[in-house]
Amino acid sequence: GPKVLQIPSHQIIDMGQMVTLNCDPVSNHLYFYWYKQILGQQMEFLVNFYNGKVMEKSKLFKDQFSVERPDGSYFTLKIQPTALEDSAVYFCASSLAVSNERLFFGHGTKLSVL
Amino acid sequence: AQSVTQPDARVTVSEGASLQLRCKYSYSGTPYLFWYVQYPRQGLQLLLKYYSGDPVVQGVNGFEAEFSKSNSSFHLRKASVHWSDSAVYFCVLSANSGTYQRFGTGTKLQVVP
Repeated sequence: GPKVLQIPSHQIIDMGQMVTLNCDPVSNHLYFYWYKQILGQQMEFLVNFYNGKVMEKSKLFKDQFSVERPDGSYFTLKIQPTALEDSAVYFCASSLAVSNERLFFGHGTKLSVL
Repeated sequence: AQSVTQPDARVTVSEGASLQLRCKYSYSGTPYLFWYVQYPRQGLQLLLKYYSGDPVVQGVNGFEAEFSKSNSSFHLRKASVHWSDSAVYFCVLSANSGTYQRFGTGTKLQVVP
C-alpha cells in the first residue's frame, strides 16, 4: 500500500542545535501532519500543512518549530534551537483530504536531545 | 470542544479470549471515528473507521467496533485475540469540519499465553 517514509529513523543531537526531520509523504496526498509521541504512547498533534501553508497548529508547536515542503519535495519539521523536552518520536502523516480521511503514517523519527 | 477518552491505559488478556477496548468521545456534531493500531517500533495503521450508517463496522484482522451516539462511545472488539495482536490501540476522533484528527491516550494491549 501507500507508504510514508521518514528519514532518519533516529537522530541524536546536543541541546541548542538545529535539527530537521524529513518526511516523504504519499505521492498524491495533499495534507501533511506532524505528531509527537511521548513515552511511547500519547500521540499529540503538532501541525498540519496544505497548499504551502500551516492550517492549524497546537500549543506544542513552539516558535522554535517550523515546517515547509519546498517544491513538492520532502515535508520537513525543523526545530531551532532544540530543547531537552523535544526528545520524543515524531510521526509524519499524510492524507488525501482532511479530517474524515484516513491518515497514512511513517515509522517515526526518534529524536534524542542531550 | 472535542475530546477522546480511552479509560484503560493497559489491558491484558489471554490468547483466545475475547477483547473489548473502550473509547468515549465528546463532540456535539456528527463524528468521524477511527481505530488505529501501533505495533512495536512501527507507525500507525488503520484498523477501521466509522462515518455513518450501520453502527457496527468491520475492520481488518477480525476487529470490529460499535458506534453508540447515546453513549458517545466507539468500543473496539475482537472475538478471539492472538498473541500478534499485542500493540497499542488508539481511538481517534475527527470533527465534521475539523482539520486534524484527535487521538485518545491509547490502550496498550498485552496478549498472554
